[in-house]
Amino acid sequence: GAGVSQSPSNKVTEKGKDVELRCDPISGHTALYWYRQSLGQGLEFLIYFQGNSAPDKSGLPSDRFSAERTGGSVSTLTIQRTQQEDSAVYLCASSLTGQPQHFGDGTRLSIL
Amino acid sequence: AQSVSQHNHHVILSEAASLELGCNYSYGGTVNLFWYVQYPGQHLQLLLKYFSGDPLVKGIKGFEAEFIKSKFSFNLRKPSVQWSDTAEYFCAVRGAGTASKLTFGTGTRLQVTL
Repeated sequence: GAGVSQSPSNKVTEKGKDVELRCDPISGHTALYWYRQSLGQGLEFLIYFQGNSAPDKSGLPSDRFSAERTGGSVSTLTIQRTQQEDSAVYLCASSLTGQPQHFGDGTRLSIL
Repeated sequence: AQSVSQHNHHVILSEAASLELGCNYSYGGTVNLFWYVQYPGQHLQLLLKYFSGDPLVKGIKGFEAEFIKSKFSFNLRKPSVQWSDTAEYFCAVRGAGTASKLTFGTGTRLQVTL
């Protein structure tokens, strides 16, 4: 069946611009997660949505980062006023409650 | 705060050699433990998981891992590696029975030579 889908696969933008990254989770998965994978930092948790509960935003590195999940399905991660240190691969994962997370291919973000 | 340590950053083995990758975690409670693998150009895939019960868990492609609670360890093993096992391996932990975030180790890059 279809896995976690992320778009775009690659994004190059200039410093200071805003970017939006999209995640389509596996159908029926109630939990959705965003992580960031960068050199020297490994995989870092950003934010987590579970059903209709308030999201766990504890991993967002600054107030320039935000995310929403509409209708319990698709999620968008927004980075405002991008900085060079935002360059990374942004990974989305989804799961059923208590089950292992399934990851997408990621969006490679490059800030010039 | 929870954390995961993977002590081997880069491992080079010849085909048919045995593999053991170390993983130690810190967490104040009952845990679920995972190993994920990322093959070149591919997404993270679940290799195996420990939730409860038998501390020796078997995963895909001949991999296994042993949960040793007293050592806070979850080492990954394979008796005989293949060239196709070349990949990056990540150990991860979360609180048991939750859908909460995973905390990952920094990964081990495994290179298998012919």
